[in-house]
Amino acid sequence: DTGVSQDPRHKITKRGQNVTFRCDPISEHNRLYWYRQTLGQGPEFLTYFQNEAQLEKSRLLSDRFSAERPKGSFSTLEIQRTEQGDSAMYLCASSLGTGVNYEQYFGPGTRLTVT
Amino acid sequence: RKEVEQDPGPFNVPEGATVAFNCTYSNSASQSFFWYRQDCRKEPKLLMSVYSSGNEDGRFTAQLNRASQYISLLIRDSKLSDSATYLCVVSREAAGNKLTFGGGTRVLVKP
Repeated sequence: DTGVSQDPRHKITKRGQNVTFRCDPISEHNRLYWYRQTLGQGPEFLTYFQNEAQLEKSRLLSDRFSAERPKGSFSTLEIQRTEQGDSAMYLCASSLGTGVNYEQYFGPGTRLTVT
Repeated sequence: RKEVEQDPGPFNVPEGATVAFNCTYSNSASQSFFWYRQDCRKEPKLLMSVYSSGNEDGRFTAQLNRASQYISLLIRDSKLSDSATYLCVVSREAAGNKLTFGGGTRVLVKP
């Protein structure tokens, strides 16, 4: 499968614990985006990378969140000291280009439940 | 006010019928427009990009009205498998092409 992959698919953690998610984009896609989706809502933008550079972080991304994309390949999203409000689906998407109309393709998501 | 607004539905559609729904967007600088389809507890999947001249892909037709800032999707000859949430999405290059989603329109096709 040459699509976007994410790991793990599901994560249950206790409040206060740290979690890390991984996203592997489509090969050669230089843009990588993270979104978060809660029940009944559309996905909301969190952050994105152009190769290894993180170019923007949403105000939704508190200090407890950090994302990296070393070497411009896979990306990780870490949440420290998780809170119940962090429970959501975390989606990763990648895109080949940077111009108008370049389409983004999503991975299957990581569903996080904080108890 | 949300940047992309959609009627949440559900639109209950008899199998074989035609259904159409719109979304409106508030940022006139939006450049790219898409419809994504999302099944329950799955990731969004790109259904189609929407071009200024309108475009068709099989039973699906999308229209863009920049003057009124709305996008429409029409589904002809609805199939049971068309039951899903349809997400209206906009983006612009100056904002890094990050996608801004509407809340989705739920469509239920019934036999």
